[in-house]
Amino acid sequence: KAGVTQTPRYLIKTRGQQVTLSCSPISGHRSVSWYQQTPGQGLQFLFEYFSETQRNKGNFPGRFSGRQFSNSRSEMNVSTLELGDSALYLCASRMGADNEQFFGPGTRLTVL
Amino acid sequence: GESVGLHLPTLSVQEGDNSIINCAYSNSASDYFIWYKQESGKGPQFIIDIRSNMDKRQGQRVTVLLNKTVKHLSLQIAATQPGDSAVYFCAENTGTASKLTFGTGTRLQVTL
Repeated sequence: KAGVTQTPRYLIKTRGQQVTLSCSPISGHRSVSWYQQTPGQGLQFLFEYFSETQRNKGNFPGRFSGRQFSNSRSEMNVSTLELGDSALYLCASRMGADNEQFFGPGTRLTVL
Repeated sequence: GESVGLHLPTLSVQEGDNSIINCAYSNSASDYFIWYKQESGKGPQFIIDIRSNMDKRQGQRVTVLLNKTVKHLSLQIAATQPGDSAVYFCAENTGTASKLTFGTGTRLQVTL
């Protein structure tokens, strides 16, 4: 069974640009969550999508948004990139409530 | 490789010894706790979990202990192996929500 996949693995952008990251959950998993990982702040929850609806949201500005498609694949978008957005963005999927989350390898975003 | 934390506390153990990694949590309402292992270039990998109605849970070579009185969690790894070298995170959440709150992480170095 394939794990959680994220594309692209590495991305370099400049300040002010916008970026879209993609996550394909494990087959059969309907919940997708996104996390940001930085050396200074550690792992922080961004949001969770379940059946195409945002179910939970962390404390990030509105520049961070996401969506989920009917096949459970999810995208997150960051607009007007700032240097501080440089991070590893991790996606995790689970089948439903009360289940273990499985993480993908992450997308390393560098903002110059 | 990925830099998941430039100033992480580090635990150095000899191969074959037992390792104990500690974590303090802050939310007394948290009722689900998980330990993750993150190797360089990879996303967090589930190790073991425990619910608040338990104080101990054992897996293969790993044991998690939960002390709700002092809000403390520990991960014990028996007969530590070089492959155990990684950053270890504890995470907590409440109910069935997907929003995990992660600790800062501990880097485990296994020496030969």
